[in-house]
Amino acid sequence: EDQVTQSPEALRLQEGESSSLNCSYTVSGLRGLFWYRQDPGKGPEFLFTLYSAGEEKEKERLKATLTKKESFLHITAPKPEDSATYLCAVQALHPSGGYQKVTFGTGTKLQVIP
Amino acid sequence: NAGVTQTPKFRILKIGQSMTLQCTQDMNHNYMYWYRQDPGMGLKLIYYSVGAGITDKGEVPNGYNVSRSTTEDFPLRLELAAPSQTSVYFCASIHQEPSGRWTDTQYFGPGTRLTVL
Repeated sequence: EDQVTQSPEALRLQEGESSSLNCSYTVSGLRGLFWYRQDPGKGPEFLFTLYSAGEEKEKERLKATLTKKESFLHITAPKPEDSATYLCAVQALHPSGGYQKVTFGTGTKLQVIP
Repeated sequence: NAGVTQTPKFRILKIGQSMTLQCTQDMNHNYMYWYRQDPGMGLKLIYYSVGAGITDKGEVPNGYNVSRSTTEDFPLRLELAAPSQTSVYFCASIHQEPSGRWTDTQYFGPGTRLTVL
């Protein structure tokens, strides 16, 4: 069974204190790994898609990397407006071939203190 | 572009009532999804569609039905509401190229908060 585990569950950082969020996964036939940001009461906001080990993508203070077993979301010099829950999801072909299975992690709640 | 819109934003149902959650996207995306998000849990895929006229079950389809008569619209139907269906429902869309690569932006709607009493 596909599994996605995110750690830590919650992270509190001082403004400017860089850190990394982890998303470890076990899946057969990975078609893509997605990172999202979700603010309270809102839908997830898409950040990145990674397809294969070694791939990296950057957007402002965020950088996502992918290995065969995990993905990291690095946050460099975070600001209070980066406070949100960050979700990771993997998409893989379902063993039955019936659909492309999407499995989400439960997220990391990030709080950046001024 | 308005992106993905969902209606209603909030709804309270009694056990056994029915309702349809509406979802519309104006980006000509072929893939559309319905998820539910329970407190402290990850999003669970209910149904998805790869294009007009084509739908398939996700991880938690029981108690729900969908249709996709147009590229833009992907309504979710609850026939006999149960307390276990209390959740926040999100619709999403993304485009997949013939090569299998996804366009780099997936959009989620703002969600529908449903309570079944």
